[in-house]
Amino acid sequence: AQSVTQLDSQVPVFEEAPVELRCNYSSSVSVYLFWYVQYPNQGLQLLLKYLSGSTLVESINGFEAEFNKSQTSFHLRKPSVHISDTAEYFCAVSDPGGTSYGKLTFGQGTILTVHP
Amino acid sequence: AAGVIQSPRHLIKEKRETATLKCYPIPRHDTVYWYQQGPGQDPQFLISFYEKMQSDKGSIPDRFSAQQFSDYHSELNMSSLELGDSALYFCASSLAGGGRGYTFGSGTRLTVV
Repeated sequence: AQSVTQLDSQVPVFEEAPVELRCNYSSSVSVYLFWYVQYPNQGLQLLLKYLSGSTLVESINGFEAEFNKSQTSFHLRKPSVHISDTAEYFCAVSDPGGTSYGKLTFGQGTILTVHP
Repeated sequence: AAGVIQSPRHLIKEKRETATLKCYPIPRHDTVYWYQQGPGQDPQFLISFYEKMQSDKGSIPDRFSAQQFSDYHSELNMSSLELGDSALYFCASSLAGGGRGYTFGSGTRLTVV
């Protein structure tokens, strides 16, 4: 079984400050890793994903995440946040080789609030 | 580009009533997933279908059932509704069994009163 732990339930930051949202996972097999963003009253949008290859993955809006196998982590970072980044962020894992056909297991979510 | 379409967007039902949620996947996607997100909670996997067959089952109550039709759309049927069923229900679709990340719909917000 897999599990995901997001270490911070809420992260308040000022605009243009750097931010890191932490995610650790537990799995006995290799996994795919994802970050999703959810704006108020909206659905989940894929921010970025790690499937294989380079351990550093980037999104089009300045976020990046680094897969660290030894620490079983997939922390999300942005060097300078904007007000519009205020949202809830979910880390998720799936088992590429299992019989779960891509079922995602989500973390508890981190609410990022960017203050002016 | 076409996205995952869910209907209705909002639904209000009374206790013990029945609700049907619909999901229309991205064209050519053959896998559909249903998730339930309670207030302030992370999404919980309910059930998935691949090529019209149930492929995986999560924490779905026996009062709920779902199926995927020949045109790949899916319906989640919920009977004997309880107050605790109030949640946002997401559908997602992918190609060939998923696993590489898939596209979510905007969700159906079900309120049971």
